Amino acid sequence: DTAVSQTPKYLVTQMGNDKSIKCEQNLGHDTMYWYKQDSKKFLKIMFSYNNKELIINETVPNRFSPKSPDKAHLNLHINSLELGDSAVYFCASSPGDRVAWGYTFGSGTRLTVV
Amino acid sequence: DAKTTQPTSMDCAEGRAANLPCNHSTISGNEYVYWYRQIHSQGPQYIIHGLKNNETNEMASLIITEDRKSSTLILPHATLRDTAVYYCIVSPRISSGSARQLTFGSGTQLTVLP
Repeated sequence: DTAVSQTPKYLVTQMGNDKSIKCEQNLGHDTMYWYKQDSKKFLKIMFSYNNKELIINETVPNRFSPKSPDKAHLNLHINSLELGDSAVYFCASSPGDRVAWGYTFGSGTRLTVV
Repeated sequence: DAKTTQPTSMDCAEGRAANLPCNHSTISGNEYVYWYRQIHSQGPQYIIHGLKNNETNEMASLIITEDRKSSTLILPHATLRDTAVYYCIVSPRISSGSARQLTFGSGTQLTVLP
């Protein structure tokens, strides 16, 4: 059973389009995250939700809008895609918003904007 | 969070022990040392964490110096599948105050050679 699953795995789209990435976790974790890994391989936090509530919003353009319909799901919608949005996006979950252990990551969504 | 310093890359022969060092000279008394790894094209994976005692699990051992200013992750019998980027992170186990997120540095690229 996949603990954190995200879809799609690959996404190729044109500039200006709107796209969504979905994430689901079956671990019963309270907290979910979106991380972005750029071409230089740095992993950077984008958003964090705890029990459906947004708790961390790093300096991310407002074209990115996360949505958490319940604590097992955290989706990421991106409007007006730009070339610089090309990256691998990882969803993750953890037992709580104040712990550093037990993070479980999805396998990533490779977004390519052309 | 305290800053960590890791070598950029290391090689290890298959079947031998891989010893990955990490310096965290400004670690606070309530901060744990966490290790995660990221195998190519996959999401990061939790390995182990510890406060001051040495820790061992099915994946690895963690040796923390008595002054807690450095630690070593040991993979006792490295295999080709252990080739990955290994991240050393220091953070409180459960933070007080505001929520925290796992913050990744640049890590050590471990290459296990046949």
